[in-house]
Amino acid sequence: GQQLNQSPQSMFIQEGEDVSMNCTSSSIFNTWLWYKQDPGEGPVLLIALYKAGELTSNGRLTAQFGITRKDSFLNISASIPSDVGIYFCAGQGRNAGGTSYGKLTFGQGTILTVHP
Amino acid sequence: GAVVSQHPSWVICKSGTSVKIECRSLDFQATTMFWYRQFPKQSLMLMATSNEGSKATYEQGVEKDKFLINHASLTLSTLTVTSAHPEDSSFYICSAKRTGHSNQPQHFGDGTRLSIL
Repeated sequence: GQQLNQSPQSMFIQEGEDVSMNCTSSSIFNTWLWYKQDPGEGPVLLIALYKAGELTSNGRLTAQFGITRKDSFLNISASIPSDVGIYFCAGQGRNAGGTSYGKLTFGQGTILTVHP
Repeated sequence: GAVVSQHPSWVICKSGTSVKIECRSLDFQATTMFWYRQFPKQSLMLMATSNEGSKATYEQGVEKDKFLINHASLTLSTLTVTSAHPEDSSFYICSAKRTGHSNQPQHFGDGTRLSIL
């Protein structure tokens, strides 16, 4: 089945530093999504990417959909303490039709710690 | 917006009890909803895809008689953990996908912490 490799697994940074994380896949995705999850809560959508090569920003966050459709990265600039959490990439493949519509494959997550 | 409400937030119950978790899309219709399970410090694991008006599709290794899914309307899906045991303790999260928009992302509820004693 499809697998996503997300790296790094964890990061410890100082407030104000920039952060970069990425995901690679063994197969092609049509959509790449980046989510953030705080402890005890569900994932919150940060950025959605729909086209190969697409570069999208959301405030201090920037994400890109790789040209090969097999990778994506997320950058966070000028990190702040509230950026702490787990970041997940997720890929959505082609519509398998019928009852498998829109399934996501998740990366393993990147745990971000920001020291004030 | 795209708000997904999940209830209850947490539940503690005795072994052998059946527990129902609700997932509602508050401001959009969702033909398809998804149920995930998440263990501490791990990623989300898809359990099943819930389809309005038809049977759910379960992932390999997930017992459909153990985890009953009902998606009776375009805004509500329920997951019932039947005869729950301590090994069923976990964080269960639902998501919903807006009807009619093939590329729309999944929006997640806040999860349900299930603890079986």
